[in-house]
Amino acid sequence: SYVLTQPPSVSVAPGKTARITCGGNNIGSKSVHWYQQKPGQAPVLVIYYDSDRPSGIPERFSGSNSGNTATLTISRVEAGDEADYYCQVWDSSSDVVFGGGTKLTVL
Amino acid sequence: EVQLVESGGGLVQPGGSLRLSCSASGFTFSSYAMHWVRQAPGKGLEYVSAISSNGGSTYYADSVKGRFTISRDNSKNTLYLQMSSLRAEDTAVYYCVKAGSSSGYYFDYWGQGTLVTVSS
Repeated sequence: SYVLTQPPSVSVAPGKTARITCGGNNIGSKSVHWYQQKPGQAPVLVIYYDSDRPSGIPERFSGSNSGNTATLTISRVEAGDEADYYCQVWDSSSDVVFGGGTKLTVL
Repeated sequence: EVQLVESGGGLVQPGGSLRLSCSASGFTFSSYAMHWVRQAPGKGLEYVSAISSNGGSTYYADSVKGRFTISRDNSKNTLYLQMSSLRAEDTAVYYCVKAGSSSGYYFDYWGQGTLVTVSS
């Protein structure tokens, strides 16, 4: 089965740039989607198809995907960005797969 | 405005059954595949089940195969998840989720979730 690996936690100071990685075998050949989940709330789609942003998501959120790593980048981090972030792909053998999630802490 | 409202969660004994419902509005329900994703307390997201837009095709994660049944009623804009032979490890918040496009396996709208607790 296909496995997505995310770091359990990432910390960043306000105004700085946060990078959250999602590792998978040849993930660059797949479409990666990212979700933000704040405590007690449902997940929200923040990036789809590697780098597209849904309407309403700030331009500070961007994504890239190449080789064995996809990355969600959050520029000019704000306190309100503190949340859990999940990557997700579709794989022909495993269907929908989620990464384990990364807790973003804003210092 | 897209809205997905789940209902039917609650406390059930191991081995019991429960049916979740998800009422959809704000989009053409019959045009989109729909999915269920769950999240155990303090854990990550787990994909559970999917159904095509016309209900003719379904998918189940191995962890629920043979115990859960997904269905939909396009005339009522409602998605269902019939859960039987429930186990403690099925305890989770269950989210009703809309597919982002007719061909894309991503999820653009999520319900608020309904909590299922399996315990004696």
